[in-house]
Amino acid sequence: LAKTTQPISMDSYEGQEVNITCSHNNIATNDYITWYQQFPSQGPRFIIQGYKTKVTNEVASLFIPADRKSSTLSLPRVSLSDTAVYYCLATGGFKTIFGAGTRLFVKA
Amino acid sequence: DAMVIQNPRYQVTQFGKPVTLSCSQTLNHNVMYWYQQKSSQAPKLLFHYYDKDFNNEADTPDNFQSRRPNTSFCFLDIRSPGLGDAAMYLCATSTATAVGPDTQYFGPGTRLTVL
Repeated sequence: LAKTTQPISMDSYEGQEVNITCSHNNIATNDYITWYQQFPSQGPRFIIQGYKTKVTNEVASLFIPADRKSSTLSLPRVSLSDTAVYYCLATGGFKTIFGAGTRLFVKA
Repeated sequence: DAMVIQNPRYQVTQFGKPVTLSCSQTLNHNVMYWYQQKSSQAPKLLFHYYDKDFNNEADTPDNFQSRRPNTSFCFLDIRSPGLGDAAMYLCATSTATAVGPDTQYFGPGTRLTVL
């Protein structure tokens, strides 16, 4: 299982694009990169998942370079409601290890 | 809507008094997980069921047990809660296999207080 490293916290303003980078130097061939969002007193919510290159859905984009040792979650035009903790995981199968996460604070 | 439900949302127990937390799902997922999340920390996986197969994490204390009587329900039993077991307990489900991507759907959690 690959350990992930993320910035502890980030600040942004409404309407800005936010990029959160995650390092997973020891990622295994079978591991996928998954990002979750968690609000206080709620369970984590799946945001996006990828194996390599770029993945985009209605809420975010995920950029994964060819060596897969890092990934970047991109949140376009954040709003106050995007204030949350964002977790990056590099896992495969049933094993799930959450890293410390990044606390994103969006200001008006 | 298909979902993961946890009851109760808040549970208060006394030191040493057994407590059971429940989780149900309408997603018909074959995998169910239990996590412990302490204040300002990341969720920590306690164990998971793949269908009826129980898989305990190596560092999960024996004080924590689980039951899965059918696909829809899963229970977390804490046999003798200590003050250090006060936490949010999260249930999650997925359709994962042993190898491959795993997208988990989490319930709202049960916050356990130990007096």
